[in-house]
Amino acid sequence: AQSVSQHNHHVILSEAASLELGCNYSYGGTVNLFWYVQYPGQHLQLLLKYFSGDPLVKGIKGFEAEFIKSKFSFNLRKPSVQWSDTAEYFCAVNSGANNLFFGTGTRLTVIP
Amino acid sequence: KAGVTQTPRYLIKTRGQQVTLSCSPISGHRSVSWYQQTPGQGLQFLFEYFSETQRNKGNFPGRFSGRQFSNSRSEMNVSTLELGDSALYLCASSLVGGGNQPQHFGDGTRLSIL
Repeated sequence: AQSVSQHNHHVILSEAASLELGCNYSYGGTVNLFWYVQYPGQHLQLLLKYFSGDPLVKGIKGFEAEFIKSKFSFNLRKPSVQWSDTAEYFCAVNSGANNLFFGTGTRLTVIP
Repeated sequence: KAGVTQTPRYLIKTRGQQVTLSCSPISGHRSVSWYQQTPGQGLQFLFEYFSETQRNKGNFPGRFSGRQFSNSRSEMNVSTLELGDSALYLCASSLVGGGNQPQHFGDGTRLSIL
């Protein structure tokens, strides 16, 4: 069975700091990878996705993620966080079917 | 374009009862998936419906069931409720099936079991 690990449960950063959230998955075949964000009081929203091609994908709000197949990783990055990035971030994976396997989430708190 | 709509937003039930949750996907979306979110287990896939047929199923007991109507609206039913069923139930829709379609989530139905 597939599984997704997010190593950081809670990350606290000051505004303008750089962000990197780790995500590792376990599945040997072809995967589709996603990062979702949940802002306080809002529903899950898609940040970015990787299906194939360039392993560096860019998403909304300045976020990007890099797929490293050899490491089974799909880490999320942002060069300079803002207070409005305070949210919970979920990494998710599927293997061609529409059933997403989610990580446990990383809560990001950005201090102004 | 309206997003995924889930009703009701909140429900309180007692053990042994049954409950039905409703999901209206984004217009034109034909795939509807359901997820359970709890503090202990996180987000877990329940099942997916496409063209009125259950296409994928997660690892949940048979008390959890669903269906999809011809207009792509979906319902989820939980029978013989247990305390552990207390959770946020999320519905997500996508254009068609296939894992390379991003899923769009609703606000969820928060179910509390007393």
